[in-house]
Amino acid sequence: AQSVAQPEDQVNVAEGNPLTVKCTYSVSGNPYLFWYVQYPNRGLQFLLKYITGDNLVKGSYGFEAEFNKSQTSFHLKKPSALVSDSALYFCAVRALDSSYKLIFGSGTRLLVRP
Amino acid sequence: DTAVSQTPKYLVTQMGNDKSIKCEQNLGHDTMYWYKQDSKKFLKIMFSYNNKELIINETVPNRFSPKSPDKAHLNLHINSLELGDSAVYFCASSQDLGRNMNTEAFFGQGTRLTVV
Repeated sequence: AQSVAQPEDQVNVAEGNPLTVKCTYSVSGNPYLFWYVQYPNRGLQFLLKYITGDNLVKGSYGFEAEFNKSQTSFHLKKPSALVSDSALYFCAVRALDSSYKLIFGSGTRLLVRP
Repeated sequence: DTAVSQTPKYLVTQMGNDKSIKCEQNLGHDTMYWYKQDSKKFLKIMFSYNNKELIINETVPNRFSPKSPDKAHLNLHINSLELGDSAVYFCASSQDLGRNMNTEAFFGQGTRLTVV
């Protein structure tokens, strides 16, 4: 069965510093991985996705993610955090059965302090 | 134009009532979903429809019944509401996943359901 894990409930970082939000995955075949962001009282917004062959994926709002097959990870990164990046971040993997559903991690709250 | 829109945004109702949440997408997508986000922010799929046909029904009580009148709409009807149904319900859509597994899903803004 496919799954993703986000080991940190919360990540705290100072504005201007680099940030990393961790995600590891477990799939039996090629992974289809996604990052979403949820701002307070809003829906989920797509940030980026892993496409086979590109280990460093660039997405919206200056975010990027690094796919590491040996470590089965897909960590979200940003070189310089903004206070406005404070939100809830979800990693997701596409199920490889006939459901094709998105399976979400438990979410990581990012708090960027001024 | 909102890509995936849900109504209402907030819904407060008493136990035992029946309520519906509506969802519409104007993206031309073939697949629509309902997700439930609980108080701990966990997101779990409830239903998925592809071209008006049900393809996922996760272990959801049969008090929840999705209805897709056409591929742009997926409504959620809930009978005999219970306190534990209080959550945020998200509608989403994506292109035909049978052809493109790395297509992303687009989410509505959510409906916060509170059962009192």
